[in-house]
Amino acid sequence: GDSVTQMEGPVTLSEEAFLTINCTYTATGYPSLFWYVQYPGEGLQLLLKATKADDKGSNKGFEATYRKETTSFHLEKGSVQVSDSAVYFCALSDIAGGTSYGKLTFGQGTILTVHP
Amino acid sequence: NAGVTQTPKFQVLKTGQSMTLQCAQDMNHNSMYWYRQDPGMGLRLIYYSASEGTTDKGEVPNGYNVSRLNKREFSLRLESAAPSQTSVYFCASGPGLAGAPSISTQYFGPGTRLTVL
Repeated sequence: GDSVTQMEGPVTLSEEAFLTINCTYTATGYPSLFWYVQYPGEGLQLLLKATKADDKGSNKGFEATYRKETTSFHLEKGSVQVSDSAVYFCALSDIAGGTSYGKLTFGQGTILTVHP
Repeated sequence: NAGVTQTPKFQVLKTGQSMTLQCAQDMNHNSMYWYRQDPGMGLRLIYYSASEGTTDKGEVPNGYNVSRLNKREFSLRLESAAPSQTSVYFCASGPGLAGAPSISTQYFGPGTRLTVL
């Protein structure tokens, strides 16, 4: 079945440091890939997405490139801020067989803490 | 435009009690979903509704029932709560297409934190 694996957390960085959160996936079809962010006490919000190989999703300074050859979708940001402290989830939506109805499979989440 | 709303925000139950979690969306979405979030396990799909009048099991449906009351509302019921159901529950909705595959973005509610003693 489909699965998403994220790097082990938590991740602690100083402000303005470079961020990478690794994400790899297993899917039977041609998935779309997502990064969601969850700020403390809130629900999940879409951060960025990519729908086909080599697409790059970007938002709020975050980027991720859909790499089919390595089945990866790593999240990066060049200079993190304290306000980026949150839990980040990688997810996929697989339409193999045409019956996914947009169901998402999530990774376990990575806690990011940014210190001033 | 409130997006996805959930009630209640917090609930404490005793083992064996029942309750219903309510979810509503005002984005005219076809598809709605219920997830549970447990530490270190990400979100797991409990049930989903691809369109009004249809519901299907997700990854962890045991101990739960759902009702797609109309296009806006999708409720989750615990008939006899167990401590293993202590979790944070999220409802989500997405544009989707009735009866067709969708790769649409999902929009999440703020969550219900449930504790079963």
